[in-house]
Amino acid sequence: SQQGEEDPQALSIQEGENATMNCSYKTSINNLQWYRQNSGRGLVHLILIRSNEREKHSGRLRVTLDTSKKSSSLLITASRAADTASYFCATDSNSGYALNFGKGTSLLVTP
Amino acid sequence: DAGVIQSPRHEVTEMGQEVTLRCKPISGHNSLFWYRQTMMRGLELLIYFNNNVPIDDSGMPEDRFSAKMPNASFSTLKIQPSEPRDSAVYFCASSSSTGTDTQYFGPGTRLTVL
Repeated sequence: SQQGEEDPQALSIQEGENATMNCSYKTSINNLQWYRQNSGRGLVHLILIRSNEREKHSGRLRVTLDTSKKSSSLLITASRAADTASYFCATDSNSGYALNFGKGTSLLVTP
Repeated sequence: DAGVIQSPRHEVTEMGQEVTLRCKPISGHNSLFWYRQTMMRGLELLIYFNNNVPIDDSGMPEDRFSAKMPNASFSTLKIQPSEPRDSAVYFCASSSSTGTDTQYFGPGTRLTVL
């Protein structure tokens, strides 16, 4: 089942601008992850944020988590054409092993 | 580390044929996942193995689908007989824990059933 829902479905920006993607989920979680998928490739893990964390940084990526609103955001600062990809949030499930992936946000960064 | 390896990368077959997809997880990882990705349904978990044992196959769509993991370094996903609606990208992923931490994905197999 898909718990995470990304918003927007598609986002188009110019190089240098910031890109913000949001993820909402329905049930309580232990952690939330963001993955990137380039066209024709597998998913690549970007960052994991645990339920007791509110913000996490990795390079140009900034992830926030608001467990009271059951939402997370992924901010990519100073975007580059190479950031063009689909971005997925994934939440852990009650099973204790499975991840629930959303349908992703398709990001296009134009030079 | 070579990462998760999948073969073939592309498979085109005719309806009714048997299809076998292969996966080599990252060495030392004890969890393995098979996913299917389509535009309509997104990424769906088909089956999860832990220490080579199938733990959850509730995502396997029909009896036409079967998966095995004979050892820690190899898994197969078989579709017999294949149907056009099975056309999708199939991913294998592995993890060093139960899977709710980071999963490492292979490049996928794009399956087209004519």
